[in-house]
Amino acid sequence: GAVVSQHPSRVICKSGTSVKIECRSLDFQATTMFWYRQFPKKSLMLMATSNEGSKATYEQGVEKDKFLINHASLTLSTLTVTSAHPEDSSFYICSAETQGSTDTQYFGPGTRLTVL
Amino acid sequence: GQQVMQIPQYQHVQEGEDFTTYCNSSTTLSNIQWYKQRPGGHPVFLIQLVKSGEVKKQKRLTFQFGEAKKNSSLHITATQTTDVGTYFCAGKGYGGATNKLIFGTGTLLAVQP
Repeated sequence: GAVVSQHPSRVICKSGTSVKIECRSLDFQATTMFWYRQFPKKSLMLMATSNEGSKATYEQGVEKDKFLINHASLTLSTLTVTSAHPEDSSFYICSAETQGSTDTQYFGPGTRLTVL
Repeated sequence: GQQVMQIPQYQHVQEGEDFTTYCNSSTTLSNIQWYKQRPGGHPVFLIQLVKSGEVKKQKRLTFQFGEAKKNSSLHITATQTTDVGTYFCAGKGYGGATNKLIFGTGTLLAVQP
């Protein structure tokens, strides 16, 4: 149980385009999902916390107009990287907490974004 | 803001040797979690510690939470090649409106057969 999927797993795009990444909880309902960014050989950096039906809470230094987050249902959150640039290239990982339990996060497999 | 540091950054051991990574938080934690990330993979939850001084074991892995709830350690006995990966601690603070985790800097473990 507690499986989280991400789509796509890998994406290459041209500079200036927008990319949408989906995060789904497959067998549970997640009131809260988290989006992280990870650079090579570095730790996970929390970008934002996404709550179903409300606006995401962004961490300091993360541009909310650049990284649009939508959490429309209890099983789906999306991250859209708008007007992507090469410096946005990174590994983006989402996680979800099971409804009723706020102590364990289950991570998706990640999406590797390369902006040319 | 809250910071979580881990040492060492990198450890190379011979198979069969022991390994320990240490995690230190700048603030008191409500709980601490440990994750393992294989090369090219995503973090996988290992365990959560909540109580001051708590010790938990999972086969060859021993996890400890400090008395002051600001530090933690992970010890692996008799490493195997399957232990290769980066080990992250992640702490939750007190208060705040979210349940966010602050990840440590990670320790990359390499095991030579």
